[in-house]
Amino acid sequence: DAGVIQSPRHEVTEMGQEVTLRCKPISGHDYLFWYRQTMMRGLELLIYFNNNVPIDDSGMPEDRFSAKMPNASFSTLKIQPSEPRDSAVYFCASSSFSGGRALVQFFGPGTRLTVL
Amino acid sequence: QKEVEQNSGPLSVPEGAIASLNCTYSDRGSQSFFWYRQYSGKSPELIMFIYSNGDKEDGRFTAQLNKASQYVSLLIRDSQPSDSATYLCAVSLSGGYNKLIFGAGTRLAVHP
Repeated sequence: DAGVIQSPRHEVTEMGQEVTLRCKPISGHDYLFWYRQTMMRGLELLIYFNNNVPIDDSGMPEDRFSAKMPNASFSTLKIQPSEPRDSAVYFCASSSFSGGRALVQFFGPGTRLTVL
Repeated sequence: QKEVEQNSGPLSVPEGAIASLNCTYSDRGSQSFFWYRQYSGKSPELIMFIYSNGDKEDGRFTAQLNKASQYVSLLIRDSQPSDSATYLCAVSLSGGYNKLIFGAGTRLAVHP
């Protein structure tokens, strides 16, 4: 069974450019999460979706960040315009929820973003 | 602000010893607790999850949960150099939300 798939794995861009990160969750999972990881701030939750609907976007740092989930098998995280401080590893994760309990989140391989 | 705290390390242990990793959390209503391992340059991968007070064992790994003290730990027996990684503690947010709060991680170094 395929795990969470992310693309691209590496992205190098220049300040001011638009960046789009993509994620395909594990089939059957109804929750999808976008995280950002840096040395300084650790692993931060940016936004998460349930059944394709955004539930909590309080972690999105600025209006330059936006995320969509048009269907159960695809999500995007867009940064426009990008800035050097956006350089980080961006992870997508998916999970289910059962009996009032959060279940295991499975992480994708991540996208390493470098903004010059 | 709900928090999860871990000692950043590094925790250095000799090969074959027991490594003990600790985590405290502030949300008294948390129901789900996870330990992830993250190798440098890789994504977090699940090691253990625990929902109930007490111990849960899986091979060389034991997770311990004490909800009264708001404390969760991970023991690694017979530590191997391949266990050298950062270990992230994650705790669910109470209130029925499917959201995890991650600690900053403890770096473990197992030396031969």
